Amino acid sequence: GAVVSQHPSRVICKSGTSVKIECRSLDFQATTMFWYRQFPKQSLMLMATSNEGSKATYEQGVEKDKFLINHASLTLSTLTVTSAHPEDSSFYICSARVGPNPNSGNTIYFGEGSWLTVV
Amino acid sequence: RKEVEQDPGPFNVPEGATVAFNCTYSNSASQSFFWYRQDCRKEPKLLMSVYSSGNEDGRFTAQLNRASQYISLLIRDSKLSDSATYLCVVNIRGAGNMLTFGGGTRLMVKP
Repeated sequence: GAVVSQHPSRVICKSGTSVKIECRSLDFQATTMFWYRQFPKQSLMLMATSNEGSKATYEQGVEKDKFLINHASLTLSTLTVTSAHPEDSSFYICSARVGPNPNSGNTIYFGEGSWLTVV
Repeated sequence: RKEVEQDPGPFNVPEGATVAFNCTYSNSASQSFFWYRQDCRKEPKLLMSVYSSGNEDGRFTAQLNRASQYISLLIRDSKLSDSATYLCVVNIRGAGNMLTFGGGTRLMVKP
């Protein structure tokens, strides 16, 4: 099946710094990728929808200037957490949809996730 | 009210037991339904899709009741390896494959 790779799997950064997380579709083109955040013992919450070649669509309550998303190619989307704070510590997961047609099916693949700890 | 609601559990069952999870969703425009499995500190993985007619995959049976807007997952002959969190997931029509996740139900199968 399709593979989505996320990097890094774990990162520790200092408060106030920025950290970038990459999400790559390895054997397919993904015009749309999704970024989720999951706090301990909670469900995945969609942060934003990343569209190749255009601006990301952010969910209500997610600061677009803090969580910068770039989807410059059909196989790569990046999430940059800027000016990180300890409360940003969480599990960040991306997913990618196979195929360009949003209604052609429901084949969604997840990356392995990235654990961010801000100290 | 959450869009997708699940009993968080945990459900503690012995090996070999049958266990059932339910999930309710609030958006009547929901068109596709799934159960995902998430192991501790890992990404979710698709367990099975849920079809209106109900569907079975080995020890797992999923059912959908559109009128009542609930989805169920039945696990028969539980194995230790079934211990995980089970996420009820809904795709809303026209939302471009954006998935809405329930909070998950934690299952612990014990010897």
